[in-house]
Amino acid sequence: DAMVIQNPRYQVTQFGKPVTLSCSQTLNHNVMYWYQQKSSQAPKLLFHYYDKDFNNEADTPDNFQSRRPNTSFCFLDIRSPGLGDAAMYLCATSRGGQGNYEQYFGPGTRLTVT
Amino acid sequence: GNSVTQMEGPVTLSEEAFLTINCTYTATGYPSLFWYVQYPGEGLQLLLKATKADDKGSNKGFEATYRKETTSFHLEKGSVQVSDSAVYFCALSDRGGSYIPTFGRGTSLIVHP
Repeated sequence: DAMVIQNPRYQVTQFGKPVTLSCSQTLNHNVMYWYQQKSSQAPKLLFHYYDKDFNNEADTPDNFQSRRPNTSFCFLDIRSPGLGDAAMYLCATSRGGQGNYEQYFGPGTRLTVT
Repeated sequence: GNSVTQMEGPVTLSEEAFLTINCTYTATGYPSLFWYVQYPGEGLQLLLKATKADDKGSNKGFEATYRKETTSFHLEKGSVQVSDSAVYFCALSDRGGSYIPTFGRGTSLIVHP
């Protein structure tokens, strides 16, 4: 089945130790998004790619970076995780172009910072 | 700008009760409207959508009608099950050009046997 896959599902890292989360998609969608979601809150958009064009949200900390080496893969790098970065990280895709902009989400990666 | 307002939760119901979760929106353009559902420990899944006024989206017994005159997209289900316990997010996408959807804060639904 076509889908959005995130690895790992659970990630534990130490305070200040860089960590990378990965996302892949078989939907061939143009747009990929990274969201941070904390408990009982709506997802908060960190950044998105339309094809290779990177779009950073104004309030996304510099500590968060992203790479999209090809259509299928997208990575979230957290350079120096703090305790406040513990959250669920969600990857999503959408087709882009004129249309409904319906999003397809991965299952998420739960990040714990110790 | 765009915004989505959802009723505060949690909504607590007994099995087979009728569900309504209210959602209203403001948008600068003519948006598409969505309901997403998030089960515990998982990502969001599209539940239903509507792209123009008076459209009714439906899936798994849930329904929502796009009401342009009241700028609303309320989610309803006639008879909820314990397995419907989840968080429900109302969202809009402005077809005018932004690829960034606007989400409501989410409404937690708890269904007791």
